[in-house]
Amino acid sequence: AQSVTQPDIHITVSEGASLELRCNYSYGATPYLFWYVQSPGQGLQLLLKYFSGDTLVQGIKGFEAEFKRSQSSFNLRKPSVHWSDAAEYFCATYGSGNTGKLIFGQGTTLQVKP
Amino acid sequence: EAGVAQSPRYKIIEKRQSVAFWCNPISGHATLYWYQQILGQGPKLLIQFQNNGVVDDSQLPKDRFSAERLKGVDSTLKIQPAKLEDSAVYLCASSFIKGYNSPLHFGNGTRLTVT
Repeated sequence: AQSVTQPDIHITVSEGASLELRCNYSYGATPYLFWYVQSPGQGLQLLLKYFSGDTLVQGIKGFEAEFKRSQSSFNLRKPSVHWSDAAEYFCATYGSGNTGKLIFGQGTTLQVKP
Repeated sequence: EAGVAQSPRYKIIEKRQSVAFWCNPISGHATLYWYQQILGQGPKLLIQFQNNGVVDDSQLPKDRFSAERLKGVDSTLKIQPAKLEDSAVYLCASSFIKGYNSPLHFGNGTRLTVT
């Protein structure tokens, strides 16, 4: 069954530093992959998605992610983090059966130091 | 367009009490999802509706949880009786159709605390 794993539960970076959040997927064929962000008290907002094609995907708020089949990874990156990026980030993939349901990783909490 | 609306935002109840959450999806969205998000975990699908029919309720604890989507628009999720482990954020999401390429739009959730 499709699944995603986020190895890092909590990450702290300094404002202005670069960021990389890790996501590993488990699926034989080319997966559909997503990154969502959740600010405190808010719902989930889609940052970007990968379905096929170019393995480097650009998203909103200056985020990008790279699909690497050889490493079964879909890591999220941002070159310069802003204090407002502090939030929880979720990697997700579709479940089986083309129902559209999403399966989420455990999430990574990002803390930004001034 | 208006987003997915959920109410209440917060709810505190004692164990063994009942509680209900309400969701109004984006207008025209046929598919509606209820997710449970326990602190420190990713959201987990409880139930998925397509119009007023159930697509997937395999992870819904049916002995205490129930959900309905009468008329294929609004939906209500109920817990009766509640347990301590039901403390979580309950997220509602909707999409235009079910399946790939129809993005999910999430509401802000209802935070439930069971004491």
